[in-house]
Amino acid sequence: ETGVTQTPRHLVMGMTNKKSLKCEQHLGHNAMYWYKQSAKKPLELMFVYNFKEQTENNSVPSRFSPECPNSSHLFLHLHTLQPEDSALYLCASSRERVGETQYFGPGTRLLVL
Amino acid sequence: AQKVTQAQTEISVVEKEDVTLDCVYETRDTTYYLFWYKQPPSGELVFLIRRNSFDEQNEISGRYSWNFQKSTSSFNFTITASQVVDSAVYFCALMDSNYQLIWGAGTKLIIKP
Repeated sequence: ETGVTQTPRHLVMGMTNKKSLKCEQHLGHNAMYWYKQSAKKPLELMFVYNFKEQTENNSVPSRFSPECPNSSHLFLHLHTLQPEDSALYLCASSRERVGETQYFGPGTRLLVL
Repeated sequence: AQKVTQAQTEISVVEKEDVTLDCVYETRDTTYYLFWYKQPPSGELVFLIRRNSFDEQNEISGRYSWNFQKSTSSFNFTITASQVVDSAVYFCALMDSNYQLIWGAGTKLIIKP
């Protein structure tokens, strides 16, 4: 099942670097999501896009900048991150924003040094 | 408040044993959805089942079965004749009236050969 793909799978970056995470869904869905999964903490919803428009930003620091050029692609631009931002970043998509099952990608494991 | 509790942090069984993962939820909504996801070591969250609050029928899919009981606010997951490949972290989640997913802390399941 390769419905939702994410690249890169692993990323190591310094605090002064700028990098981007990419997510692509091949399911024809209209909603896309970024989640952060840290050790010992529940999944945290970061951003939601519905029909390319950002509908939710759950108080995410500005060093994380999402971009959704179309319904199939979602990016997360990273700059001046902190070591506590090290986590697994998961992308998901759903047919609609409301009441639909979310399907997840394999995630990007990010380590900030 | 909306909440999902997975009281079992870790379960370890020997292959071929049956195992039940518990999930208890709290919500004031009358319409809601419940989910189970599997997260193997690779990191991807794999969707297993979605159940809406009006459908209390139990579900069976191969070796997997789910028992939804509104009277006890529980949505338990049983794996029959467990296999090593079932080893993963399993998450129960509640979708509330705002269509946010509220996640349990997860249960790590270890199947020993």
